[in-house]
Amino acid sequence: RKEVEQDPGPFNVPEGATVAFNCTYSNSASQSFFWYRQDCRKEPKLLMSVYSSGNEDGRFTAQLNRASQYISLLIRDSKLSDSATYLCVVNTGGGSYIPTFGRGTSLIVHP
Amino acid sequence: GAVVSQHPSRVICKSGTSVKIECRSLDFQATTMFWYRQFPKKSLMLMATSNEGSKATYEQGVEKDKFLINHASLTLSTLTVTSAHPEDSSFYICSASGTLYNEQFFGPGTRLTVL
Repeated sequence: RKEVEQDPGPFNVPEGATVAFNCTYSNSASQSFFWYRQDCRKEPKLLMSVYSSGNEDGRFTAQLNRASQYISLLIRDSKLSDSATYLCVVNTGGGSYIPTFGRGTSLIVHP
Repeated sequence: GAVVSQHPSRVICKSGTSVKIECRSLDFQATTMFWYRQFPKKSLMLMATSNEGSKATYEQGVEKDKFLINHASLTLSTLTVTSAHPEDSSFYICSASGTLYNEQFFGPGTRLTVL
């Protein structure tokens, strides 16, 4: 089983839709979690960190479920500009920082 | 967020030559830098992790003699692709994390084409 797993998609949704991605991780000792966004032929950019209590930034909401070992990203009111690959990153290193990337979930928002 | 630069952004070279890519953290001290490779429409693949002043830790399957990594200071790491071959053509991305930041920040990437 891979350490960090994501459904590669693509998720094809119309503008205005709500879409959610999950990311599961295998190491129960994982400490920190992040969502990155990567546009085609560009570097990944940090979208948001994922806190135990969950966090929201505008149309984006991230949640952590430690019991089931997954994190989620919810995007409300999708925009065309949200089309990208969303990468889940899990720090599996315990005290040190060892990031493990999921393979990414592709989102396509169409008019 | 922090800024990480990478140079060059694009390089085209002949087979057999060596190419050096620089990764700099511009406004923070990067205790750890990561080097990734990404082929078209594929996921990021971690090549190695380097901590300032110590030898890099390479992922399984990555040849350390072919991909030389130097992390001589808290703001600079270099990746040298030695004796490059066409199959080394890829998008190479560095990232950095430091004591102030729990997350990592990525450089803009270097697109290497080996003819």
